Amino acid sequence: DGGITQSPKYLFRKEGQNVTLSCEQNLNHDAMYWYRQDPGQGLRLIYYSQIVNDFQKGDIAEGYSVSREKKESFPLTVTSAQKNPTAFYLCASSLRRLAGLTDTQYFGPGTRLTVL
Amino acid sequence: KQEVTQIPAALSVPEGENLVLNCSFTDSAIYNLQWFRQDPGKGLTSLLLIQSSQREQTSGRLNASLDKSSGRSTLYIAASQPGDSATYLCAFRLQGGSEKLVFGKGTKLTVNP
Repeated sequence: DGGITQSPKYLFRKEGQNVTLSCEQNLNHDAMYWYRQDPGQGLRLIYYSQIVNDFQKGDIAEGYSVSREKKESFPLTVTSAQKNPTAFYLCASSLRRLAGLTDTQYFGPGTRLTVL
Repeated sequence: KQEVTQIPAALSVPEGENLVLNCSFTDSAIYNLQWFRQDPGKGLTSLLLIQSSQREQTSGRLNASLDKSSGRSTLYIAASQPGDSATYLCAFRLQGGSEKLVFGKGTKLTVNP
């Protein structure tokens, strides 16, 4: 089956710890994204990557880091510098058209992170 | 600042009713607009994508329209069913090659049997 997988589904972290959220896609998509969703708010973009070994900050990148060593994988690390990390994290991917623009974004099932 | 407003925030209707969800945006220089569905605790599912050159898109019982001049999009759901109960989000992407999607907060729809 083609799609986007995120793991784990639920993650608990103690204050001061770094944690890494996994995102994998087998859709052969070029671009991948990380969003954060808080109750009653729209999704906010953390980081995105259009090609391997390249990524850009979104609106709320502080306290987060990413890597894009493989086309299929775009892990997100939530560092201890992120002051309020409890949220629902969504990964997405999209195909990059020949014109350089990306198509519809397809989302994974999400990871709910709770800081204890 | 680019913003997306979705009204109403919540809507409850009886099964079989036709309904309209509204989305307004502040920047007319959009590249495209998407409607998504989100079930509780789940990821987003793309429903319809409208390019800036298009006026509407249809998929089954869903029809989405786009009016850039007024900064509005609507999602029309015909003959609603309990399975349509979910939160519906709209998001637009700006022209100029931006990868960023600007999301609204969503409309939570409940269709009662």
